Amino acid sequence: GESVGLHLPTLSVQEGDNSIINCAYSNSASDYFIWYKQESGKGPQFIIDIRSNMDKRQGQRVTVLLNKTVKHLSLQIAATQPGDSAVYFCAENNENDMRFGAGTRLTVKP
Amino acid sequence: DAGITQSPRHKVTETGTPVTLRCHQTENHRYMYWYRQDPGHGLRLIHYSYGVKDTDKGEVSDGYSVSRSKTEDFLLTLESATSSQTSVYFCAISYRGLAGYTFGSGTRLTVV
Repeated sequence: GESVGLHLPTLSVQEGDNSIINCAYSNSASDYFIWYKQESGKGPQFIIDIRSNMDKRQGQRVTVLLNKTVKHLSLQIAATQPGDSAVYFCAENNENDMRFGAGTRLTVKP
Repeated sequence: DAGITQSPRHKVTETGTPVTLRCHQTENHRYMYWYRQDPGHGLRLIHYSYGVKDTDKGEVSDGYSVSRSKTEDFLLTLESATSSQTSVYFCAISYRGLAGYTFGSGTRLTVV
């Protein structure tokens, strides 16, 4: 899950397995959430978003789940591939104030 | 990243010197942002712009200034660089204020 410490949480999965990356957000009033992927030496890339009036949204191989009761967001990646290795972080928005988590490093083992 | 370019990609500068980072976009987006990214921290907003000559401070604006004289360019200036400003700086653009940010590739700045 997300951390504000010096070291990123890490997740290591076998190629072909499913990955679940978690994020605890801070503001119960946040109404829009985004997952980003950041590869080494590159800028963050948008993966998928969800609004607070939804609890699940699916994209291509990715699913985002939102649990507002416990302020928790998760990103599920199906059939994880080596190209999915990256840092993943969530962002929450409340009245145009976007806040980003520190991220989780996903490593995919061949 | 398509439509957004940051320059320089890398810079080493001495403490006390002024530094300007440039963000250039070809998307004609209204909103532009400067973030810094440090180990263990999420992206933190320095300044943002919602139009030509319209800018506002973000969470960590002390020691930084910005200018936007035309839609396509957003400049970040460190008036007198300090070691605490060693970081990776990202520019982002958006057409509707908060959703759908597109980030640049970043500028790695080292202040020695």
